[in-house]
Amino acid sequence: GEDVEQSLFLSVREGDSSVINCTYTDSSSTYLYWYKQEPGAGLQLLTYIFSNMDMKQDQRLTVLLNKKDKHLSLRIADTQTGDSAIYFCAESTGTASKLTFGTGTRLQVTL
Amino acid sequence: EPEVTQTPSHQVTQMGQEVILRCVPISNHLYFYWYRQILGQKVEFLVSFYNNEISEKSEIFDDQFSVERPDGSNFTLKIRSTKLEDSAMYFCASPGPPSPGNTIYFGEGSWLTVV
Repeated sequence: GEDVEQSLFLSVREGDSSVINCTYTDSSSTYLYWYKQEPGAGLQLLTYIFSNMDMKQDQRLTVLLNKKDKHLSLRIADTQTGDSAIYFCAESTGTASKLTFGTGTRLQVTL
Repeated sequence: EPEVTQTPSHQVTQMGQEVILRCVPISNHLYFYWYRQILGQKVEFLVSFYNNEISEKSEIFDDQFSVERPDGSNFTLKIRSTKLEDSAMYFCASPGPPSPGNTIYFGEGSWLTVV
C-alpha cells in the first residue's frame, strides 16, 4: 500500500529557513500536499503541487518535487515563531481521491 | 479558506455508548470524507462518500461505523458501541472550490474521548 514518511522533528532559529522533507512510495501519486496543524487545532491546507510540476512557490513557501526519487520538500523562508506546528505531507492518486498522510514533522522555532 | 464546520468540538462518552459526529462541508460538493487522528499519530483515512453512497472505505471503517447524509447539508459519522481505542480526533473533509488542483479542506475536528 501507499506509504508516506517524514522526519519527526526539526528545530530552527527564527529568521532562518526551514526545510521539511517527505518521501512517498506510490508512483501513481498525482497531487501532493502540505498541511499545518497547530496544537489542538485542525489541518490547515498550506499548499499543494501537481505531479507534473517540479516546483511551486507561494510567498514564503516553496515546494520542491523530485518525482523520480519520490521526494517532496517544503521550504519556509524567514521562519517565524508562528510557524511552530506539525507539518503533514500527504498524497493522493487523483481528483477527489483519499489522502494518505505522513507521520508529521514537528517544527520548533527558537528565538 | 473555504470552511468545513464540525460539531461537537469535544465529546466525552462512556464505553459502549453510541456517538454521532456532525459535519457541514463546503457547499455544492458531492464528495465528503472522514479521517481520524489518534493522539500523537498520523491522520488516517476512514471513508469517502460520494453522491449519497460510500465510494471507498479503509479497514478501520468496520461495521461499528456508519455515515449518513440526513439532509442536504449535514453529513454524520456514527460510531456504535464505542471502545476506548476509538478515542481520537475525527476530521471531516471536503473538496474546495474548483481549481487546477485537488484542494481538500478539513474541519477543526471533533475530539472524542471514550472513558
